[in-house]
Amino acid sequence: ELKVEQNPLFLSMQEGKNYTIYCNYSTTSDRLYWYRQDPGKSLESLFVLLSNGAVKQEGRLMASLDTKARLSTLHITAAVHDLSATYFCAVPLPEGGATNKLIFGTGTLLAVQP
Amino acid sequence: NAGVTQTPKFQVLKTGQSMTLQCAQDMNHEYMSWYRQDPGMGLRLIHYSVGAGITDQGEVPNGYNVSRSTTEDFPLRLLSAAPSQTSVYFCASSLTGTGVINEQFFGPGTRLTVL
Repeated sequence: ELKVEQNPLFLSMQEGKNYTIYCNYSTTSDRLYWYRQDPGKSLESLFVLLSNGAVKQEGRLMASLDTKARLSTLHITAAVHDLSATYFCAVPLPEGGATNKLIFGTGTLLAVQP
Repeated sequence: NAGVTQTPKFQVLKTGQSMTLQCAQDMNHEYMSWYRQDPGMGLRLIHYSVGAGITDQGEVPNGYNVSRSTTEDFPLRLLSAAPSQTSVYFCASSLTGTGVINEQFFGPGTRLTVL
């Protein structure tokens, strides 16, 4: 059974600080997705990581994937209040074919304090 | 393109009532899925479809039915609502197949309360 674990579950940080969210998963996967969710809103795709060593950056967020360690990180640089949201990682089940079943982590609630 | 749309946005049901949550996409995506989101549990897959006429169960299918008669639409039916089905429901769609990014796009969600 594929399990996806994120830590921390809750992160309170000050503006201007750096921090990293971790996503561990329990079975082989060559891709991983990061999503952002604002309160009461839907999920917005942030990054699609497609191979071992993949690194993607958008503004103050940078995501990386290590498929050998089964680990992805989402690094926040010089946080600003606008980054406050819940961040989810998701891993597809290794079933191949046409299915695209995702298993989500429980999410990391990020609160950036002024 | 409207992307993925869901109706209704909010719904209150009494225990035992039935209803259908609607989901439609205009991106010609083969893959569509339904998730429920509960506090502290992330998103859990209810049912999914890889194309018209093909559906299958996800992690938490009990109490829900789906059908896929067209590429665009993927309704979720609650047969006899229970308080445990109080949740936020998201529909998502994506392309499928190897060599494709398979990024899933999510609808705005339906907040369902069962009394």
